[in-house]
Amino acid sequence: DQQVKQNSPSLSVQEGRISILNCDYTNSMFDYFLWYKKYPAEGPTFLISISSIKDKNEDGRFTVFLNKSAKHLSLHIVPSQPGDSAVYFCAAQGPFGNEKLTFGTGTRLTIIP
Amino acid sequence: GAVVSQHPSWVICKSGTSVKIECRSLDFQATTMFWYRQFPKQSLMLMATSNEGSKATYEQGVEKDKFLINHASLTLSTLTVTSAHPEDSSFYICSARVNMNTEAFFGQGTRLTVV
Repeated sequence: DQQVKQNSPSLSVQEGRISILNCDYTNSMFDYFLWYKKYPAEGPTFLISISSIKDKNEDGRFTVFLNKSAKHLSLHIVPSQPGDSAVYFCAAQGPFGNEKLTFGTGTRLTIIP
Repeated sequence: GAVVSQHPSWVICKSGTSVKIECRSLDFQATTMFWYRQFPKQSLMLMATSNEGSKATYEQGVEKDKFLINHASLTLSTLTVTSAHPEDSSFYICSARVNMNTEAFFGQGTRLTVV
């Protein structure tokens, strides 16, 4: 049972444009969401997170939006840069006190120069 | 951010042998560490939660006698794949948190190939 889903396995975006990566979840007990970036043969690197009490969190070029009623979150990267090419995983955690991360299946983002 | 170091980064072993993977938190103490496994083109799947000074908690479907976890100190957890088989070939990653209010930091991962 995949509780966190990323339905797009891959995405290609022109350099300078906006990249939008989507993630859906089914477990209503999740209350904290994270996005990780991963290069091949390396561990994931934390990008940005959002608590369920917020609907938006911004950090530089990265913005995460959370729609709790739809159980959907998205990561916006603008402007996209070639170095952003990687696999992006969304992850969910909760309820509070449960440290386990449940990961989505990942989306491979390719930025086209 | 905090640093989690994993060793080795890759290992090739013969079927039937055992392999030990180390996960260290370099600049913080971690009472809890997590071990994940990732098969090609799949998500990271939590295998077990490693608790310092006590037994690890394994996820459903993960054989605790095959994947031995030892969390001997606040900065070191080890995962030993015993009697490895080719189907155990995967990418193993550990993670740790400084505290409940920080994100999880991941090690570099270990690529295990069993031949």
